[in-house]
Order: sequence, then structure tokens, then C-alpha cells
Amino acid sequence: KQEVTQIPAALSVPEGENLVLNCSFTDSAIYNLQWFRQDPGKGLTSLLLIQSSQREQTSGRLNASLDKSSGRSTLYIAASQPGDSATYLCAALPFDDYKLSFGAGTTVTVRA
Amino acid sequence: DTEVTQTPKHLVMGMTNKKSLKCEQHMGHRAMYWYKQKAKKPPELMFVYSYEKLSINESVPSRFSPECPNSSLLNLHLHALQPEDSALYLCASSQGTPTTNEKLFFGSGTQLSVL
Repeated sequence: KQEVTQIPAALSVPEGENLVLNCSFTDSAIYNLQWFRQDPGKGLTSLLLIQSSQREQTSGRLNASLDKSSGRSTLYIAASQPGDSATYLCAALPFDDYKLSFGAGTTVTVRA
Repeated sequence: DTEVTQTPKHLVMGMTNKKSLKCEQHMGHRAMYWYKQKAKKPPELMFVYSYEKLSINESVPSRFSPECPNSSLLNLHLHALQPEDSALYLCASSQGTPTTNEKLFFGSGTQLSVL
């Protein structure tokens, strides 16, 4: 059974600092890995999807890498802003399965 | 239009009430999902509809009854809920079947409180 872990559970940084969020998964047989953002009491917004054959994806200040051999993905957010404060979840879609395996998330606070 | 719209945003109901949650998308997506999320926990899959047919039920109690009237709409009918059913209920959609390599688009959710 796929298990996804995100450490740390919470992170606080000053504005302008680069953010590094970690996600680890136990089974490398995945279709893709997605990163989501969730604001309090709101739904999830898909940030980046990395397919199994890819090593990274970029969108604006966001960059996500995928290393299946080590079972890790990292989300980088450059030059953080207070508006980046949210919970970030990663989720892996295993081969031959329909169900995303979510991590518990990392709650980020960017201090002005 | 890249939105999944959920109504209502908030719902308070008693244990004897019947209510419905609604979800709508106009992206032409053929898979639609219901998730349940408790505070500070990741979402948990409840149901999946693929091409308007229920394809997955994650052993959800019968007091939750999903319905897909057409390819754009998804309902979740609630009856005789328990206080522990209080949670954020999220609807999501994707272009193809659940096992394809595509992004999930989530709605803003319905925050449900059962008294």
C-alpha cells in the first residue's frame, strides 16, 4: 500500500526566503505525483503534476522535482510572499489504481 | 471555464434532516469525485463517477447517496447523518477516467456541521 509522508508538518519563513517542501512515497510504481495548495476551509488547487517519465515541472515561481528511485518529490517556491501561506499537499497516483494517496500536508506561514 | 462549483458553501443539519450537496463543472470532464476531509487531515475518497456511472464506492455508509444526473452535475444526498460526519465535502473532476494521467480540479467544498 502506498504511503506518502510530508515533513515538516509546519514551516514558518520570512518573506523573500525560498521554500523547500518535501514529499516521500514508499512505492515507486506511480503514474504521477501532484502538488496541491489548500487555503483554510477551502478546496484544493492543483499546482503541478509530474508524470512518471518526467523529472521536474515548472510554473512561474514554482518548481517540482521527482526522483522515483529514492521515492521523493520536492516543491520549490522561489522568493516567498505572504500570499503563499497555505497548506501544501502532495499526492501520488499508483499504477493500476484509481485512488490518489495523499500526504498529510505541510502548513506554510510566510511572515511579512 | 476551469471551475468546479459547489453549493452550498456551508450547511448545518440535524441528525433527522435530509439535505443535498451539489457540484457542477462545465469543462467536459468525464470523471467526477466526492471526497471527505476532516480538519487537518488529507482528503479521503468516497465515490467516483466515470461517464455518469458510479464506478467506485469506498465502502461509504448508505446515509450518503451519490447521484450523477448528467455529465456536468454531481449530487450527494445526505440522510440521518451522525455528528462525526461533520467535515469539508469536496467535489472534484478530471478529464478522463480516474486511472489516467491528469490533474484533478477541486471545488471549494461544502463545510458540513451535523448537530
